[in-house]
Amino acid sequence: GAGVSQSPSNKVTEKGKDVELRCDPISGHTALYWYRQSLGQGLEFLIYFQGNSAPDKSGLPSDRFSAERTGGSVSTLTIQRTQQEDSAVYLCASSLVSDSTDTQYFGPGTRLTVL
Amino acid sequence: QQQVKQSPQSLIVQKGGIPIINCAYENTAFDYFPWYQQFPGKGPALLIAIRPDVSEKKEGRFTISFNKSAKQFSLHIMDSQPGDSATYFCAAYIPGKLIFGQGTELSVKP
Repeated sequence: GAGVSQSPSNKVTEKGKDVELRCDPISGHTALYWYRQSLGQGLEFLIYFQGNSAPDKSGLPSDRFSAERTGGSVSTLTIQRTQQEDSAVYLCASSLVSDSTDTQYFGPGTRLTVL
Repeated sequence: QQQVKQSPQSLIVQKGGIPIINCAYENTAFDYFPWYQQFPGKGPALLIAIRPDVSEKKEGRFTISFNKSAKQFSLHIMDSQPGDSATYFCAAYIPGKLIFGQGTELSVKP
């Protein structure tokens, strides 16, 4: 079956512009996660959705970042007034349920470059 | 306290060698420790994982060793191959998220 898909694969924007990054999780997966991977760094947790529960936003670096998940499926990560330090690969992952042993499947990521 | 520290940052071995990647953590609430493999331009993919009540787990050429008292765990790759060249991340699970190490870039020379 199809894996996690993300779009666009690459996004170049100018400082101060808003961007939207999209994630389509694996069908039937109730948990969805966003991570950020900066050059030469590990993956940094941003936000987590589980079913209809309130999302865990504890990893969002500033109030310029927000995310929503519509209909329990597709998710959009929005970055307002982008800054150069926002340049990174943004990765989305999904899992069947939110459990420690449940594998998180990652998408290929969106590479964001802020000029 | 939610950090996972990974070393080395990069590693070069000859084909057939046994690269070892080490990770350490502080938070005893972590209850699951996966390793992810990432190739350039791709998302990370689960390689192998272990629970803290187990000291070792083998899957094919990949072995995790886990030392609960020292709060350390490591990945060994037996008979490494050029196709194993990738970036490896250790991680630790706390409800709702994975906390990742900084990654190790492995290069296996033919």
